Amino acid sequence: EAAVTQSPRNKVTVTGGNVTLSCRQTNSHNYMYWYRQDTGHGLRLIHYSYGAGNLQIGDVPDGYKATRTTQEDFFLLLELASPSQTSLYFCASSGGRGDTGQLYFGEGSKLTVL
Amino acid sequence: QEKVQQSPESLIVPEGAMSSLNCTFSNSASQSIWWYQQHPGKGPEALISIFSNGNKKEGRLTVYLNRASLHVSLHIRDSQPSDSAVYLCAAGGNTGKLIFGLGTTLQVQP
Repeated sequence: EAAVTQSPRNKVTVTGGNVTLSCRQTNSHNYMYWYRQDTGHGLRLIHYSYGAGNLQIGDVPDGYKATRTTQEDFFLLLELASPSQTSLYFCASSGGRGDTGQLYFGEGSKLTVL
Repeated sequence: QEKVQQSPESLIVPEGAMSSLNCTFSNSASQSIWWYQQHPGKGPEALISIFSNGNKKEGRLTVYLNRASLHVSLHIRDSQPSDSAVYLCAAGGNTGKLIFGLGTTLQVQP
């Protein structure tokens, strides 16, 4: 049974559109992360959280908002989507701090912005 | 800016051979180095981590860390076609986050 579940798995929107990517983890982990993966750039951290109501800025946060509503649920919001945000997005969770605790990834959400 | 660089970009080995992947990192204070495996259409999965200088073995995997040269290597003994995947090296950054390399694509030919 998947411990980190993302939805939707595929999404197509137009420039200026609103998109919400959802992530739920059943690992009882405190830390959750949103990454984007692009050819030539690898995995880059957008936002992360170490508990409900907490939000930390990652390395590429521009154009993204995030919200952690419960320990299990972490959302990534694109309020005015742009073609540069076309990417493969991964959610992950970890029991400890990101550099020492193992990350458990979801299967990804492919977003296309036309 | 903290960086993680991996080599080679791609590697083809015959079934049963040893696969050797390399990674250099820029932050000498990195507490941990991780290797993740990513199959097409899937999220990365952690394979092995190392925190101290030296080597660590888990099954067919051996990882070597040399903090003086900021170098870590992953060796897969008796490589199998199912090992074909992208391998990501990641190092802990100053801010407590993982910095990922671009990956090495491994293809094991039957």
